[in-house]
Amino acid sequence: LAKTTQPISMDSYEGQEVNITCSHNNIATNDYITWYQQFPSQGPRFIIQGYKTKVTNEVASLFIPADRKSSTLSLPRVSLSDTAVYYCLVGDIERAGSARQLTFGSGTQLTVLP
Amino acid sequence: NAGVTQTPKFQVLKTGQSMTLQCAQDMNHNSMYWYRQDPGMGLRLIYYSASEGTTDKGEVPNGYNVSRLNKREFSLRLESAAPSQTSVYFCASSESPVLNSPLHFGNGTRLTVT
Repeated sequence: LAKTTQPISMDSYEGQEVNITCSHNNIATNDYITWYQQFPSQGPRFIIQGYKTKVTNEVASLFIPADRKSSTLSLPRVSLSDTAVYYCLVGDIERAGSARQLTFGSGTQLTVLP
Repeated sequence: NAGVTQTPKFQVLKTGQSMTLQCAQDMNHNSMYWYRQDPGMGLRLIYYSASEGTTDKGEVPNGYNVSRLNKREFSLRLESAAPSQTSVYFCASSESPVLNSPLHFGNGTRLTVT
């Protein structure tokens, strides 16, 4: 399983764009990158997933460079309600049933300030 | 549409007592999971069920047992609770066990073992 490294915490102000980078130097050819968001007292919520280049949805964008050794979650114009922990997961989507692909790290605590 | 429902929300046990955490999903998902979350440690996979009739160990299975009762329900049992099992327990489900099938989480059970 590709080990991931994220910053422990980040602060931002309302209206700013926030970029959270996840390092995964040992990512394998079949590994996908998935990001989740967790609010206090709730379970994590899926945000976005990608394999290479750029993926965008209504919530965020995910940038993955050509070497795929890192990825960046970009949240446009954050608000106070975006304060949460963000987790990066990397795993082989074809290895069905492999428990190791479902491991969350400690995540990044994003605090949005007024 | 309730999604993933966990009961109870809170529980206090004494060391050595047993209990079962219940989880049900109404999304017709094939795969279900149990995680525990401890401060500063992210989420760790306890057990999972890739499909009805199968269960497999995750990262931290010791002290736990699971039952996939049917497609909807996946229970977690603590036979003899220990203080080290004080944690927040999350149940999740996904359409399939592969990584590109997003996990849907319940809101957790906060368990304290004294």
